[in-house]
Amino acid sequence: SQTIHQWPATLVQPVGSPLSLECTVEGTSNPNLYWYRQAAGRGLQLLFYSVGIGQISSEVPQNLSASRPQDRQFILSSKKLLLSDSGFYLCAWSTGFRNSPLHFGNGTRLTVT
Amino acid sequence: GQQLNQSPQSMFIQEGEDVSMNCTSSSIFNTWLWYKQEPGEGPVLLIALYKAGELTSNGRLTAQFGITRKDSFLNISASIPSDVGIYFCAGPLIQGAQKLVFGQGTRLTINP
Repeated sequence: SQTIHQWPATLVQPVGSPLSLECTVEGTSNPNLYWYRQAAGRGLQLLFYSVGIGQISSEVPQNLSASRPQDRQFILSSKKLLLSDSGFYLCAWSTGFRNSPLHFGNGTRLTVT
Repeated sequence: GQQLNQSPQSMFIQEGEDVSMNCTSSSIFNTWLWYKQEPGEGPVLLIALYKAGELTSNGRLTAQFGITRKDSFLNISASIPSDVGIYFCAGPLIQGAQKLVFGQGTRLTINP
C-alpha cells in the first residue's frame, strides 16, 4: 500500500532563517506531488505541484520554492523565512490519472518567530 | 477561476443528530471529493464521486453528486464524538495536472 511521510511535524524558526521541509511517498511510482498551505485550520492553498522529477509548477508568487530531486521526494524550501510564512504545510500525492484524488501527509506546523 | 462554496461554515450539534452539508460551484465538476481533517493532521479522503447523480455511502456517511454537476452533499447520520473535525469538499480543475480546488470547509462540533 502507498504511504506518505512528511517531516518534521512541528518547526519553530526565526525570521530570516532557511527552511527545508521534506516529503516522501512509498509504494507508488511517478506520482504527482503537491505542497499545500493551510492557514487558521481551514482553506487549503495550492503552492506547488510536480508531475515528474525536476518538473515544478508554482501556483502563487511567494517566498518559497520546491524541488523534486527524486521520483518520490518533494522538498519545500526558503532561503529566508518571513513571519507570513507561518502556517500548516501539507504534502500530498496522487496517481496522476484523470480526476484521481489526493492523499495527504500529516503536515508540518511551521511557526516563524 | 473555479471556486467551491461550502456551507455551513460551522455546525454545533448534539451527539446523535444527523448532519448535512453541501458544496456548490458556478462551474461543472467531473469529480467531487469529500475529506475530513482532524486537528493537527492532514485531510483524509472520505468519499469520491465520479458520476452525476451518484450516491455513495461510507458507513454513516453518505455523499451525492448533484445531477447538475455543480453541487454535492455530504450527510452524516447519528453523529458521534469522533465525527468532530473540518469537512472539505474538493474537485479537480478542468485544466491542469490534476490540481484540486477545495471548499473553505465545514467545522463540525459535537456536544456530548
